[in-house]
Amino acid sequence: GQQLNQSPQSMFIQEGEDVSMNCTSSSIFNTWLWYKQDPGEGPVLLIALYKAGELTSNGRLTAQFGITRKDSFLNISASIPSDVGIYFCAGRGGGSNYKLTFGKGTLLTVNP
Amino acid sequence: DGGITQSPKYLFRKEGQNVTLSCEQNLNHDAMYWYRQDPGQGLRLIYYSQIVNDFQKGDIAEGYSVSREKKESFPLTVTSAQKNPTAFYLCASSFMWATSGANVLTFGAGSRLTVL
Repeated sequence: GQQLNQSPQSMFIQEGEDVSMNCTSSSIFNTWLWYKQDPGEGPVLLIALYKAGELTSNGRLTAQFGITRKDSFLNISASIPSDVGIYFCAGRGGGSNYKLTFGKGTLLTVNP
Repeated sequence: DGGITQSPKYLFRKEGQNVTLSCEQNLNHDAMYWYRQDPGQGLRLIYYSQIVNDFQKGDIAEGYSVSREKKESFPLTVTSAQKNPTAFYLCASSFMWATSGANVLTFGAGSRLTVL
């Protein structure tokens, strides 16, 4: 089946620093999604990407759909304490299978 | 407000007991999903349903059962056959046929099951 490798597994940064995380797939995806999960809550969608090469921003967040369609990255600029949480990438391949494949997540800790 | 409601938020169960987790959505979404989350393991798909009265096994369906009698509801039963049921369970839903937004899952707040 499809597999996603998400890195890094965890990050410890100072408030104000920029953050970058990425996901790579063993196969081609035609949709990439990035979610954030606060402790004890469900994931919330941050950015959705539907076209290779697409670069999309949402406030301090920027995500890109890789040209090869096998990778995506998420950048967070000028981090703040409320950015703490687990960030998941998710992707969907082609065909009629509507299942998403999720990465294992990046745990972000921001020190004030 | 539209959304997905999961209940209960916390549940404790003795070994050998079945337990049912509720999931209700008022987003008029076609598809509904159940995921299991363990620390460091990401989200693993248990079951999903694209239409009423139909559902498909996900990657880790053993020891679980579901039903989809109404579009709005997709309850998950964790049976005594599930060998390691302690986990955080997430329900989600999505549209199926929209040109944009398809497969964008909206999640509930989760249910934490602990087996004593």
